[in-house]
Amino acid sequence: SQQGEEDPQALSIQEGENATMNCSYKTSINNLQWYRQNSGRGLVHLILIRSNEREKHSGRLRVTLDTSKKSSSLLITASRAADTASYFCATAPDGNKLVFGAGTILRVKS
Amino acid sequence: ETGVTQSPTHLIKTRGQQVTLRCSSQSGHNTVSWYQQALGQGPQFIFQYYREEENGRGNFPPRFSGLQFPNYSSELNVNALELDDSALYLCASSLGGLVPGLAGETDTQYFGPGTRLTVL
Repeated sequence: SQQGEEDPQALSIQEGENATMNCSYKTSINNLQWYRQNSGRGLVHLILIRSNEREKHSGRLRVTLDTSKKSSSLLITASRAADTASYFCATAPDGNKLVFGAGTILRVKS
Repeated sequence: ETGVTQSPTHLIKTRGQQVTLRCSSQSGHNTVSWYQQALGQGPQFIFQYYREEENGRGNFPPRFSGLQFPNYSSELNVNALELDDSALYLCASSLGGLVPGLAGETDTQYFGPGTRLTVL
């Protein structure tokens, strides 16, 4: 079973626009992570937000976490063609074993 | 670059055969996790090793087994391959254990590029 569920399943935007992806999860967490995957290859860790944090920034990325709603969002500002990828949220409800959602496919058109 | 490598990149096997996939973790990372990612899905946790001992297993049958070696390399073995085993197999390394400042929390996992397994 999947802990995280991303929304939307797919997103297509123009270069320069912002992209927002959402993630919902089921159980209590210590932290939530976002990963990017290009063309079915390995995952790249983007950002980790702890359960006592509400917002975190890293470059053009902004992540929010609402533990009362069990949800998180990833905002990519001023998107670039190179941001085209699949994005996954992941939690670890059982120790260090990550549970991923099905992902959001982002396409940035130039 | 995450410093995690996997071999081979691609592999084609037939049903019933056995396969061994290899992973080389970042130096100093005591934990390696393996994931299976079917097409269009998120990665699914197979199992995790910490200092050469299995440290948790997902919902996969016993024909999926693993080994971790002292030199930060590890293997995933799959026996009696089935068509549904066709997937991208990812390994991820992490510090694991007691990490100062991260007590009880997940530490960042660094993924390799994956091995694409096709079972015919």
